[in-house]
Parts: sequence; C-alpha cells; structure tokens
Amino acid sequence: GAVVSQHPSWVICKSGTSVKIECRSLDFQATTMFWYRQFPKQSLMLMATSNEGSKATYEQGVEKDKFLINHASLTLSTLTVTSAHPEDSSFYICSASGNQPGYEQYFGPGTRLTVT
Amino acid sequence: EDKVVQSPLSLVVHEGDTVTLNCSYEVTNFRSLLWYKQEKKAPTFLFMLTSSGIEKKSGRLSSILDKKELFSILNITATQTGDSAVYLCAVNYGGSQGNLIFGKGTKLSVKP
Repeated sequence: GAVVSQHPSWVICKSGTSVKIECRSLDFQATTMFWYRQFPKQSLMLMATSNEGSKATYEQGVEKDKFLINHASLTLSTLTVTSAHPEDSSFYICSASGNQPGYEQYFGPGTRLTVT
Repeated sequence: EDKVVQSPLSLVVHEGDTVTLNCSYEVTNFRSLLWYKQEKKAPTFLFMLTSSGIEKKSGRLSSILDKKELFSILNITATQTGDSAVYLCAVNYGGSQGNLIFGKGTKLSVKP
C-alpha cells in the first residue's frame, strides 16, 4: 500500500515558538493532503485540506493564521503551528490521497506536539 | 449535519470471542465507507466499502455495507489480544477532495 511519512514523530517546544511538521507521500503523488488533530480518547478531527499548489481549505473553527499549511509539491505538505501555546498540544496526523478509487486516504504515523 | 455514529463506544471480550462493531451514517454525497484500526499511532487502513451487500474479508476480519439502511458492520472472529485497538469508521462524502468524516471509534479490549 501507499506510504506516508511524517516528521518529526514527536516534538516539545516552548510557548510562543513555532513548529513545522512535514508530511510526505513516499511512493505516490498526493493530489490532496489532509491534516487532522486528535485529542486523547477522541476521534480525528479534520483541520484542513490542501491541494498541491493552491491554498488550503480550513474547517470551521480552525485558525488559518495559526496553523499554516503549505502543499508545495505532490509529495510534500507542511503544517506550521505558529506561536504555539499549551492548548495546541495534541497529536497531529496527516493523510494523503492520490487518484485511488473512492479517494482512499493513507495516514502518516502522526506527530505528538507538546508545548510547555 | 453529516455524522457518523459508532457503537458500542467500548467493548471488552475474551480471546476467542467474536465481536461485531457497528457504524451508522447520515452523509450527503456518500462515496465510500472506510474502516481503520488505530493502536498507539495513526490509523491503519482495513477496508473500503462502496457497494451494498458485498462482504470484504481479510483473515479474521470482515465487513459489509448496507446503503439502504445506512450502516456498516465490522466483524472480528476468534479475537486475539493483538486485536485490542480503537476501530474507526469514516465516510468519504465526496466532492473533488474526498473528505472523510470520522466516527468516535469503538475501543476494543481483548483479554487473554
């Protein structure tokens, strides 16, 4: 199956700093990438959807100036959490889909962000 | 409002038992329903269902979709402790981007 990687797998940062998370599709071209956030014992919540070369579409309630998404190529999307605060601590997961039937999404391993 | 509802939210069984996990949905522009298994990290793909009545099977796991009644079930036979995980149901509600809406998951614990 298709492989999606994320980097870093975990990161600890201080309040007020920015953190960049990378999501790569390793063996297919991802026309669309998705960013999810997952709180403990809860399901995945879609934050935004990005298509290569265009601006991301953010879900209601997600601050686009705080969570900057760039989808510069068909294999790479980045999520930058700007001016991070402790409440941004969470598990961030990306997924990617190409032209598979049914728009099947393949998930990365996730990034655990802790803001102190 | 589009929604995906899973039941039960948690389940404890013993090794060897058979379990059935439920997923119902109300989604406009339904395209497909997907099942994922989530252990400590990101979800891993199990099945994608697009047509009613066609069972998908992989080892001890099987799943079927009923598009008339708007639900799907995931069966696990002869459960093992390694099946302990959260099982997520998601519906692809179409559009050019193939967005997914997830249920809250069923936490399955298999006791030895």
